[in-house]
Amino acid sequence: QSALTQPASVSGSPGQSITISCTGTSSDVGGYEYVSWYQQHPGKAPQLMIYDVSNRPSGVSDRFSGSKSGNTASLAISGLQAEDEADYYCGSYTSTTTWVFGGGTKVTVL
Amino acid sequence: EVRLVQSGAEVKKPGDSLKISCKGSGYSFTSHWIGWVRQMPGKGPEWMGIIYPGDSGTRYSPSFEGQVTISDDKSINTAYLQWSSLKASDTAIYYCARLLYGSGTRPMDVWGQGTTVTVSS
Repeated sequence: QSALTQPASVSGSPGQSITISCTGTSSDVGGYEYVSWYQQHPGKAPQLMIYDVSNRPSGVSDRFSGSKSGNTASLAISGLQAEDEADYYCGSYTSTTTWVFGGGTKVTVL
Repeated sequence: EVRLVQSGAEVKKPGDSLKISCKGSGYSFTSHWIGWVRQMPGKGPEWMGIIYPGDSGTRYSPSFEGQVTISDDKSINTAYLQWSSLKASDTAIYYCARLLYGSGTRPMDVWGQGTTVTVSS
């Protein structure tokens, strides 16, 4: 199972909005409504930010939102803040009954 | 508070065996799947496999099947990841994580702090 494809880096100024894409295939992203997004700060464990394409766990800011079209999922962050600077990973359930993650996107707040 | 606490960092030699642990608290341990994830330096996470403490059923990624063993001891709310013969390429951080309530299709919602495994001669 190949890793999902994410841009290596995305940047934005405080207050701006950014979007991170995550491209897979019909055997993962396109085939299921089971896409998740994780935030990881340096030296820390990943934190679940979005699950089932667009649902936010309790405690996650509503500045984070998720969507999907075909084989590509997206994570949008609005009102960018310094604390949003981190690595972001997408994940998807797959037809082999396992999960696959993306290679990660480094978000920089300028 | 739901917590997963992992065992400490390990330094091993190629060919050594190793078993690392993950202790859950603050929730019904037998009601949620627990998974293991490998993260090599500077890389994205890799889903290794999961176990359901309710019946100790397991599911492995094809990339890791036969390379590691996932087990549990529900009497002490602990899951394990073990190797019988480590390789240098097993050097990584290993995370355990609880899956959202439901089937093994669910994403991981609560993560342990990670266990660093270093394999070097």
